[in-house]
Amino acid sequence: QQQVKQSPQSLIVQKGGISIINCAYENTAFDYFPWYQQFPGKGPALLIAIRPDVSEKKEGRFTISFNKSAKQFSLHIMDSQPGDSATYFCAASMGSSNTGKLIFGQGTTLQVKP
Amino acid sequence: DVKVTQSSRYLVKRTGEKVFLECVQDMDHENMFWYRQDPGLGLRLIYFSYDVKMKEKGDIPEGYSVSREKKERFSLILESASTNQTSMYLCASSAYIGSLSSYEQYFGPGTRLTVT
Repeated sequence: QQQVKQSPQSLIVQKGGISIINCAYENTAFDYFPWYQQFPGKGPALLIAIRPDVSEKKEGRFTISFNKSAKQFSLHIMDSQPGDSATYFCAASMGSSNTGKLIFGQGTTLQVKP
Repeated sequence: DVKVTQSSRYLVKRTGEKVFLECVQDMDHENMFWYRQDPGLGLRLIYFSYDVKMKEKGDIPEGYSVSREKKERFSLILESASTNQTSMYLCASSAYIGSLSSYEQYFGPGTRLTVT
């Protein structure tokens, strides 16, 4: 199975709250899991990424939690800010690929209210 | 900074027209991709190219073709545009990032195509 399933489709969070977006995959050959952030009128850009040899990666207010046995990973945005309002995509790929081809989730539109 | 540019931000075409979407990257990347983005469906891969004149079908190639005559340029062609091809089209190129032991994709700003 090549799909990556992402939820929720949309999310509204108050400023200062925690935003959580979840993704699940089936293919155990996937070994690279990036998150992309897309602002209105722009293309997606890499936000943070993780490999399955670690269970968590943190960069500033953004954290990926990875559960290899459950084949799930999630993005946590701590102290969410209005500037974080964007569409977020999880993705997966196989490191053995030499094309950089990614399988993307369905996307989550995040709105952070002031 | 990597730059991926797309020829048009907005495009309106009529049903049956042949449509060309152009994408250019300035970082000598081997791999380039065309996606369409629709609400609730995420980014779906139409075609990708891993070298000049080399291409592979993605998940939704029907109704599309591509051309890559030069390394920096990857074109998406809608042979006979239909209303169900109204969408946002995103181009990307990818480069290997040693610190990630994988590839990062760099996206253009997108072309919003409306077929009437």
